[in-house]
Amino acid sequence: EAGVAQSPRYKIIEKRQSVAFWCNPISGHATLYWYQQILGQGPKLLIQFQNNGVVDDSQLPKDRFSAERLKGVDSTLKIQPAKLEDSAVYLCASSPTGRVPNQPQHFGDGTRLSIL
Amino acid sequence: AQTVTQSQPEMSVQEAETVTLSCTYDTSENNYYLFWYKQPPSRQMILVIRQEAYKQQNATENRFSVNFQKAAKSFSLKISDSQLGDTAMYFCAFMKRVSWQGGSEKLVFGKGTKLTVNP
Repeated sequence: EAGVAQSPRYKIIEKRQSVAFWCNPISGHATLYWYQQILGQGPKLLIQFQNNGVVDDSQLPKDRFSAERLKGVDSTLKIQPAKLEDSAVYLCASSPTGRVPNQPQHFGDGTRLSIL
Repeated sequence: AQTVTQSQPEMSVQEAETVTLSCTYDTSENNYYLFWYKQPPSRQMILVIRQEAYKQQNATENRFSVNFQKAAKSFSLKISDSQLGDTAMYFCAFMKRVSWQGGSEKLVFGKGTKLTVNP
Protein backbone atom coordinates (compact mmCIF):
# COMPACT_ATOMS: atom_id res chain seq x y z
CA GLU A 1 0.00 0.00 0.00
CA ALA A 2 1.30 3.45 -0.89
CA GLY A 3 2.01 5.71 2.07
CA VAL A 4 0.99 9.26 2.82
CA ALA A 5 2.44 11.53 0.13
CA GLN A 6 3.48 15.11 0.81
CA SER A 7 5.01 17.80 -1.32
CA PRO A 8 7.22 19.69 -1.46
CA ARG A 9 9.83 18.14 0.84
CA TYR A 10 11.52 21.47 1.46
CA LYS A 11 10.48 25.08 1.04
CA ILE A 12 12.34 28.29 1.75
CA ILE A 13 10.49 31.60 1.64
CA GLU A 14 10.83 35.08 3.04
CA LYS A 15 8.60 36.34 5.80
CA ARG A 16 5.28 37.79 4.66
CA GLN A 17 5.27 35.53 1.59
CA SER A 18 2.69 32.80 1.02
CA VAL A 19 3.24 29.06 0.87
CA ALA A 20 1.11 25.97 0.30
CA PHE A 21 1.65 22.33 1.14
CA TRP A 22 -0.07 19.33 -0.37
CA CYS A 23 -0.98 15.97 1.12
CA ASN A 24 -2.42 12.82 -0.40
CA PRO A 25 -3.46 10.32 2.29
CA ILE A 26 -3.44 6.56 2.05
CA SER A 27 -6.25 5.39 -0.18
CA GLY A 28 -9.46 4.88 1.74
CA HIS A 29 -8.36 6.79 4.82
CA ALA A 30 -11.15 9.20 5.66
CA THR A 31 -9.39 10.98 8.53
CA LEU A 32 -6.57 13.39 7.71
CA TYR A 33 -4.43 15.42 10.10
CA TRP A 34 -1.98 18.30 9.72
CA TYR A 35 0.62 18.63 12.47
CA GLN A 36 3.25 21.34 13.01
CA GLN A 37 6.58 20.18 14.42
CA ILE A 38 8.84 23.00 15.57
CA LEU A 39 12.49 22.09 16.08
CA GLY A 40 13.02 20.44 19.45
CA GLN A 41 9.32 19.82 20.07
CA GLY A 42 6.79 17.13 19.42
CA PRO A 43 4.21 17.54 16.67
CA LYS A 44 1.16 19.64 17.49
CA LEU A 45 -2.17 19.22 15.72
CA LEU A 46 -3.22 22.11 13.50
CA ILE A 47 -6.34 20.65 11.92
CA GLN A 48 -8.18 17.34 11.59
CA PHE A 49 -10.56 16.41 8.78
CA GLN A 50 -13.10 13.61 8.67
CA ASN A 51 -13.81 13.20 4.94
CA ASN A 52 -14.08 16.84 3.86
CA GLY A 53 -15.44 18.16 7.15
CA VAL A 54 -13.35 19.79 9.89
CA VAL A 55 -13.32 17.90 13.19
CA ASP A 56 -10.81 20.00 15.14
CA ASP A 57 -9.10 23.24 14.14
CA SER A 58 -8.84 24.73 17.63
CA GLN A 59 -5.06 25.22 17.38
CA LEU A 60 -4.96 26.54 13.82
CA PRO A 61 -3.92 30.23 13.68
CA LYS A 62 -6.82 31.17 11.48
CA ASP A 63 -5.60 34.69 10.78
CA ARG A 64 -2.81 33.26 8.62
CA PHE A 65 -3.35 29.52 8.20
CA SER A 66 -6.03 27.85 6.12
CA ALA A 67 -6.64 24.29 5.05
CA GLU A 68 -9.05 22.49 2.81
CA ARG A 69 -9.81 18.97 1.79
CA LEU A 70 -11.76 18.91 -1.41
CA LYS A 71 -13.72 15.74 -2.22
CA GLY A 72 -12.49 14.15 1.00
CA VAL A 73 -9.15 13.01 -0.45
CA ASP A 74 -6.22 15.40 -1.03
CA SER A 75 -5.62 18.31 1.28
CA THR A 76 -3.74 21.60 1.09
CA LEU A 77 -2.45 23.72 3.96
CA LYS A 78 -1.69 27.37 3.27
CA ILE A 79 0.13 30.04 5.21
CA GLN A 80 -0.43 33.67 4.23
CA PRO A 81 1.51 35.71 5.27
CA ALA A 82 4.29 33.64 6.79
CA LYS A 83 6.06 34.67 9.98
CA LEU A 84 9.48 33.65 11.27
CA GLU A 85 7.88 31.47 13.95
CA ASP A 86 6.21 29.34 11.25
CA SER A 87 9.55 27.69 10.50
CA ALA A 88 8.82 24.03 11.20
CA VAL A 89 8.18 20.65 9.67
CA TYR A 90 4.56 20.23 8.59
CA LEU A 91 3.43 16.64 8.88
CA CYS A 92 0.39 15.11 7.28
CA ALA A 93 -1.10 11.93 8.69
CA SER A 94 -4.10 9.77 7.91
CA SER A 95 -5.96 6.99 9.66
CA PRO A 96 -8.27 4.32 8.31
CA THR A 97 -11.97 4.25 8.92
CA GLY A 98 -14.49 1.52 9.19
CA ARG A 99 -16.43 -0.09 11.96
CA VAL A 100 -13.42 -0.09 14.26
CA PRO A 101 -12.51 3.36 15.60
CA ASN A 102 -9.24 4.56 17.16
CA GLN A 103 -6.97 3.34 14.39
CA PRO A 104 -3.26 4.34 14.42
CA GLN A 105 -2.15 7.25 12.29
CA HIS A 106 0.24 6.91 9.37
CA PHE A 107 2.57 9.83 8.69
CA GLY A 108 4.08 11.30 5.56
CA ASP A 109 7.68 12.47 5.22
CA GLY A 110 6.74 16.05 6.04
CA THR A 111 7.52 19.41 4.48
CA ARG A 112 10.36 21.35 6.07
CA LEU A 113 9.60 25.07 5.89
CA SER A 114 12.27 27.69 6.49
CA ILE A 115 11.35 31.36 6.78
CA LEU A 116 14.10 33.90 6.09
CA ALA B 1 -6.42 18.93 28.35
CA GLN B 2 -3.88 16.17 28.14
CA THR B 3 -0.14 16.64 28.53
CA VAL B 4 2.73 14.27 27.82
CA THR B 5 6.15 14.67 29.41
CA GLN B 6 9.38 13.05 28.32
CA SER B 7 12.03 13.99 30.84
CA GLN B 8 15.06 12.63 28.96
CA PRO B 9 15.98 14.89 26.02
CA GLU B 10 18.85 12.62 24.97
CA MET B 11 20.03 9.11 25.73
CA SER B 12 22.66 6.78 24.38
CA VAL B 13 23.18 3.04 24.56
CA GLN B 14 25.71 0.54 23.30
CA GLU B 15 24.71 -1.81 20.55
CA ALA B 16 23.12 -5.03 21.89
CA GLU B 17 22.33 -3.48 25.26
CA THR B 18 18.96 -2.53 26.73
CA VAL B 19 17.65 0.99 27.19
CA THR B 20 14.48 2.39 28.77
CA LEU B 21 12.83 5.64 27.72
CA SER B 22 10.50 7.36 30.18
CA CYS B 23 7.15 9.01 29.62
CA THR B 24 4.54 10.40 31.97
CA TYR B 25 1.20 11.88 31.08
CA ASP B 26 -1.64 13.74 32.66
CA THR B 27 -5.28 13.23 31.81
CA SER B 28 -8.71 13.04 33.38
CA GLU B 29 -9.83 10.53 30.75
CA ASN B 30 -10.32 6.90 31.69
CA ASN B 31 -10.32 5.43 28.19
CA TYR B 32 -7.37 6.22 25.99
CA TYR B 33 -4.41 4.87 24.04
CA LEU B 34 -0.71 5.45 24.43
CA PHE B 35 1.83 5.17 21.66
CA TRP B 36 5.53 5.27 21.04
CA TYR B 37 6.53 6.63 17.64
CA LYS B 38 10.01 6.57 16.14
CA GLN B 39 11.30 9.35 13.87
CA PRO B 40 14.70 8.55 12.26
CA PRO B 41 16.73 11.54 11.01
CA SER B 42 14.99 13.11 8.00
CA ARG B 43 12.62 10.20 7.74
CA GLN B 44 9.00 9.69 8.46
CA MET B 45 7.44 8.98 11.83
CA ILE B 46 6.52 5.34 12.30
CA LEU B 47 4.54 3.56 14.97
CA VAL B 48 6.61 1.42 17.33
CA ILE B 49 4.06 0.17 19.82
CA ARG B 50 0.55 0.87 21.09
CA GLN B 51 -1.06 0.31 24.47
CA GLU B 52 -4.76 0.36 25.25
CA ALA B 53 -5.39 1.83 28.70
CA TYR B 54 -8.12 -0.63 29.59
CA LYS B 55 -5.73 -3.55 29.07
CA GLN B 56 -3.56 -4.41 32.06
CA GLN B 57 -1.15 -6.51 30.03
CA ASN B 58 1.86 -4.59 28.75
CA ALA B 59 2.21 -4.48 24.98
CA THR B 60 5.23 -6.03 23.26
CA GLU B 61 6.50 -5.91 19.67
CA ASN B 62 9.60 -8.02 19.13
CA ARG B 63 12.45 -6.14 20.86
CA PHE B 64 10.17 -3.35 22.06
CA SER B 65 8.06 -3.55 25.19
CA VAL B 66 6.32 -1.09 27.46
CA ASN B 67 5.80 -0.76 31.19
CA PHE B 68 2.36 0.78 31.58
CA GLN B 69 1.47 1.98 35.07
CA LYS B 70 -2.00 3.50 34.80
CA ALA B 71 -2.30 4.72 38.38
CA ALA B 72 1.07 6.43 38.17
CA LYS B 73 0.32 7.67 34.62
CA SER B 74 3.61 6.29 33.45
CA PHE B 75 4.40 4.66 30.12
CA SER B 76 8.03 3.68 29.52
CA LEU B 77 9.53 2.00 26.46
CA LYS B 78 12.17 -0.70 26.76
CA ILE B 79 14.33 -1.53 23.77
CA SER B 80 16.20 -4.80 24.09
CA ASP B 81 19.22 -5.83 22.03
CA SER B 82 19.61 -2.28 20.69
CA GLN B 83 20.58 -1.98 17.03
CA LEU B 84 22.21 0.85 15.10
CA GLY B 85 18.95 1.30 13.20
CA ASP B 86 17.19 2.18 16.45
CA THR B 87 18.95 5.56 16.43
CA ALA B 88 16.11 8.08 16.19
CA MET B 89 13.87 10.52 18.03
CA TYR B 90 11.28 8.66 20.07
CA PHE B 91 7.98 10.32 20.84
CA CYS B 92 5.46 9.25 23.43
CA ALA B 93 1.88 10.14 22.46
CA PHE B 94 -1.60 10.07 23.96
CA MET B 95 -4.90 9.61 22.18
CA LYS B 96 -8.32 9.82 23.72
CA ARG B 97 -10.53 6.86 22.90
CA VAL B 98 -13.70 7.49 20.95
CA SER B 99 -16.64 5.18 20.51
CA TRP B 100 -18.17 6.48 17.32
CA GLN B 101 -17.77 4.38 14.20
CA GLY B 102 -14.84 5.35 12.03
CA GLY B 103 -13.67 7.95 14.48
CA SER B 104 -10.29 8.77 15.89
CA GLU B 105 -8.82 11.57 17.92
CA LYS B 106 -5.69 13.66 17.56
CA LEU B 107 -2.38 12.58 19.03
CA VAL B 108 -0.86 14.64 21.83
CA PHE B 109 2.92 14.27 21.75
CA GLY B 110 5.73 14.73 24.21
CA LYS B 111 8.85 16.64 23.23
CA GLY B 112 10.74 13.49 22.36
CA THR B 113 13.89 11.66 23.41
CA LYS B 114 16.84 11.51 21.04
CA LEU B 115 18.30 8.01 21.24
CA THR B 116 21.73 7.20 19.87
CA VAL B 117 22.91 3.62 19.59
CA ASN B 118 26.69 3.41 19.57
CA PRO B 119 28.64 0.61 17.87
